[in-house]
Amino acid sequence: KQEVTQIPAALSVPEGENLVLNCSFTDSAIYNLQWFRQDPGKGLTSLLLIQSSQREQTSGRLNASLDKSSGRSTLYIAASQPGDSATYLCAAGRGTSGSRLTFGEGTQLTVNP
Amino acid sequence: EAGVAQSPRYKIIEKRQSVAFWCNPISGHATLYWYQQILGQGPKLLIQFQNNGVVDDSQLPKDRFSAERLKGVDSTLKIQPAKLEDSAVYLCASSSTPGPGGTQYFGPGTRLLVL
Repeated sequence: KQEVTQIPAALSVPEGENLVLNCSFTDSAIYNLQWFRQDPGKGLTSLLLIQSSQREQTSGRLNASLDKSSGRSTLYIAASQPGDSATYLCAAGRGTSGSRLTFGEGTQLTVNP
Repeated sequence: EAGVAQSPRYKIIEKRQSVAFWCNPISGHATLYWYQQILGQGPKLLIQFQNNGVVDDSQLPKDRFSAERLKGVDSTLKIQPAKLEDSAVYLCASSSTPGPGGTQYFGPGTRLLVL
């Protein structure tokens, strides 16, 4: 059974700081690894998707890496802004098409102005 | 394009009552998912539909939960009877295709409180 863990559970940083969120998974036989953002009272927004054959993906100030052998993924946020404050969730995709997602519990990020 | 719509947004019921949630996916999306998110946890997949057929319902508590997707468009998730531990946010998501090419788009969720 796949288990996904995210550390830390909460993080508070000053605006402008670069930061790293961590995600680990127990079963390395994943199809993909996704990072989502969740704002209070809202659904999830997909940020980055890394295929199992890839090492990293970038979108703007976000960079996600994947190391299947060690069962780890990181989300790097550069030059953080107050608008980045949200809960960040990683999810390991499996199944024949990778659509079955197992989520971590999330990291609640607060960026202080 | 319009996003995934869900209703109601909030629901409060007493234990042993029944409740139903409705989801309208993004137009043209063949795959629809229902997730349960308990406070402080990540979402857990309950059921996945491909058009109007069930692809995966292995984590759906079938003694009390049921879901249908008539005509491969809208979907309804029902709980009967509800228990205290069913208090959670129920998220609906849809994608144009299953798998890595089909990003899942989530609705705002229905927040259920069982008293």
